[in-house]
Amino acid sequence: QVQLVESGGGVVQPGRSLRLSCAASGFTFNNYGMHWVRQAPGKGLEWVALIWYDGSNKYYADSVRGRFTISRDNSKNTLYLQMSSLRGEDTAVYSCARYSATYHALDLWGQGTMVTVSS
Amino acid sequence: DIVMTQSPLSLPVTPGEPASISCRSSQSLLHSDGYISLDWYLQKPGQSPHLLIYSGSNRASGVPDRFSGSGSGTDFTLKISRVEAEDVGVYYCMQGLQTPYTFGQGTKLEIK
Repeated sequence: QVQLVESGGGVVQPGRSLRLSCAASGFTFNNYGMHWVRQAPGKGLEWVALIWYDGSNKYYADSVRGRFTISRDNSKNTLYLQMSSLRGEDTAVYSCARYSATYHALDLWGQGTMVTVSS
Repeated sequence: DIVMTQSPLSLPVTPGEPASISCRSSQSLLHSDGYISLDWYLQKPGQSPHLLIYSGSNRASGVPDRFSGSGSGTDFTLKISRVEAEDVGVYYCMQGLQTPYTFGQGTKLEIK
């Protein structure tokens, strides 16, 4: 079954760290670039980060650059988002998404994991 | 950053009637490889988004043919020829021409 399953969300205090995971299955993970997208409660979609299929290049939104790190372990078919120095405005549902080079689009999304930054 | 502007933000539609959503970008989304780097996503209530239209005008797998995308340069449109109840949700356009990727604000389609 082709799917992405996120985990690792929860409630965390401001300034602390959290690592999200995205487990891929049903497709050849190391053939695809991967993205993280977030959605604050009641708000729209915000792109967060991108990593190339082989991990050689990474890109970030200005709002998270220097605090978040995207990475992947192709041997484990898993994408990660290490989040540090968390702020209240980072509160959101975080979803991973697969980038299709054929369609030039995000063609597979996970269900998301909720991160709440609160004291 | 490329700014994406959608309109309207709210779209009440009677079933069976057509619907149209506009998306404008602050710069051309024509990729150097010749494709349009503009996609449409639908987020149904309580669900993650899913791909509807890619490269401006191509329907993703399984998307009904009542959905169509058009446009070029900086102006794009998503059209639904006859709205059905299952089409409710929030529609987003997104540019993937350059990082940071950016989404429109979203258009909430509801059934009258």
